[in-house]
Order: sequence, then structure tokens, then C-alpha cells
Amino acid sequence: AQTVTQSQPEMSVQEAETVTLSCTYDTSESDYYLFWYKQPPSRQMILVIRQEAYKQQNATENRFSVNFQKAAKSFSLKISDSQLGDAAMYFCAYSFYNTDKLIFGTGTRLQVFP
Amino acid sequence: GAVVSQHPSRVICKSGTSVKIECRSLDFQATTMFWYRQFPKQSLMLMATSNEGSKATYEQGVEKDKFLINHASLTLSTLTVTSAHPEDSSFYICSARLGGSSGNTIYFGEGSWLTVV
Repeated sequence: AQTVTQSQPEMSVQEAETVTLSCTYDTSESDYYLFWYKQPPSRQMILVIRQEAYKQQNATENRFSVNFQKAAKSFSLKISDSQLGDAAMYFCAYSFYNTDKLIFGTGTRLQVFP
Repeated sequence: GAVVSQHPSRVICKSGTSVKIECRSLDFQATTMFWYRQFPKQSLMLMATSNEGSKATYEQGVEKDKFLINHASLTLSTLTVTSAHPEDSSFYICSARLGGSSGNTIYFGEGSWLTVV
């Protein structure tokens, strides 16, 4: 069965600094999708970034980028120039190639200090 | 604005009663929607896949007779918690895919807090 592991329950970063959130997953599939979602106190799930497993190039969205290591089954999220509004729970998620069912990790709570 | 809307955002019901939560896709058709459950300080767990015009597919361990899912139109899926008990109190959230291809953007509703007293 596919699993997603986030080993950092909490992380903190100073405003304007860079932080990296870790995520590892287990799958026997070769094609799949990986996601990072942000969940602020409002509980709304917000897509941060998405990566297709068949693409070697790491996805980037403005200040957010990933380090996708397919062989190592690692998918970390780097947040550059951290802002106070980045404070939230961050969930790493996996989906099979032909479905939109998401398997979530346990989440990492990110605190941003001024 | 949000492309997936849930209603109600908060609901309190008495133990033993049933409560319905709606999930609507706004401005797009969703043949498939998903229902998740999130306990406090925990992750989201997939409960079931809602299929328009057919029966929902439930994940292992989810009681289909307790959590009734109806997807009667291409823009609406409903989750009914029947004979609710305090342990059913949780945050319920739905999602739907925008676009016809797998892997396209998945949008989540705002979620619904259920409290059973």
C-alpha cells in the first residue's frame, strides 16, 4: 500500500529565510503525482505545488520549489523568502496516475517568526 | 473565488439524528468527487469516492450504511451521516477535479465541522 511520511511534526523559520519540509513516500508505481497542500487555520486546503513523477525537472511556483528524488522516493518542499502568511499546516500527498484519490502525510506545522 | 463549495460550514446535531453535508462544484462539472475526514490535529483520511450516477466507492473501514453518499448530478455530491454519534464529530471536506484529465488541479471545499452532542 502506498504511504506518505512527513517526519517533521513542526518546523519554524525566521521571516525572509528559507525552510525545507521533508516528505518521503512508498509506492511500487512508476507513474503518479505528488502534491504539497497548505492548510491555514481556516482549514481550507490550498494547493502549493504539484509534481508529475514522469517529469525529472523539479516543479517551481514562485517562492516554492520541490526537490523530487524519484529513486529515493523523496519529495521535499523548499520555501524561500518566508513570509508570515506562510504559517500553516503543510501536507504532502500522493495520488495514483489514473485517479484523483489523495493519500496524505501526517503534516508539518510551519511557524514563521518576524 | 472557491470552485468547490460545501454547506453547511458548521453543524451541530443531536446523537442519533442524521445530518447532510453538500459539496458543489461551481462553474464546472465533476463526475467524481471525494470525501475526506480530518480529526483534530490529524491528517486527512479518504472516506469514499463519489461517482455521478452510480454507487460510491468506500475505503476500507468506512461504514457505507453510516456514511451515505449521493452524487445525483454533475455538480452536487452529498454526504449523510446517519444515526450520528459523538465519535462522528469531525471535519469533513470534499474535493473535485477541475478538468477531464487525471492529475489536473484538484480543488477542495471549505470543509464542514460536524459536532454531535
